[in-house]
Amino acid sequence: QQQVRQSPQSLTVWEGGTTVLTCSYEDSTFNYFPWYQQFPGEGPALLISILSVSDKKEDGRFTTFFNKREKKLSLHIIDSQPGDSATYFCAASAGSNNRIFFGDGTQLVVKP
Amino acid sequence: EAAVTQSPRNKVTVTGGNVTLSCRQTNSHNYMYWYRQDTGHGLRLIHYSYGAGNLQIGDVPDGYKATRTTQEDFFLLLELASPSQTSLYFCASSDVGAYEQYFGPGTRLTVL
Repeated sequence: QQQVRQSPQSLTVWEGGTTVLTCSYEDSTFNYFPWYQQFPGEGPALLISILSVSDKKEDGRFTTFFNKREKKLSLHIIDSQPGDSATYFCAASAGSNNRIFFGDGTQLVVKP
Repeated sequence: EAAVTQSPRNKVTVTGGNVTLSCRQTNSHNYMYWYRQDTGHGLRLIHYSYGAGNLQIGDVPDGYKATRTTQEDFFLLLELASPSQTSLYFCASSDVGAYEQYFGPGTRLTVL
């Protein structure tokens, strides 16, 4: 059973637009939710993360939202740039089992 | 300097062949992980370890062995490689297992 579901699988937006990626999870013990960004030919790297005690975290043009009641999270990218073109993974962890569960990823293309 | 390195970066072998993928981290992290990445499946955990001599089973362990020889070095072994193991393999390390993971650049393995 997949622990973290991510959508859409792929997304194309125009430069300057807002990108929205979403994820859902089942395990109510998850309390840490990172987003990873992966460029072609590289390994994933942490982009932004949020703990379950918060509902929003911002870092520049990137904001992640967390809805504990609905077990959903999202990543918003404002003023999307061609350099944001990458694969984005949402993930979740309970902290106690020393591993992270990843979604299947969203391949984002930002067109100039 | 890259804190997680993998070798080789590319490998081609034949069905039934022996393959060893190597990972070294200089982060002084306790946890190390092996993932495979396939289109449509995201990052799937094969094995992980929280220290030298320790091994934990991940979600897709069949056909893979792993060994953690030191805090720095983690190896993934395919003793009878099959075409289904053709994939992009990533190693990662983390200080506290369920939080930020640092990924290597990946090894692309092709089994003919």
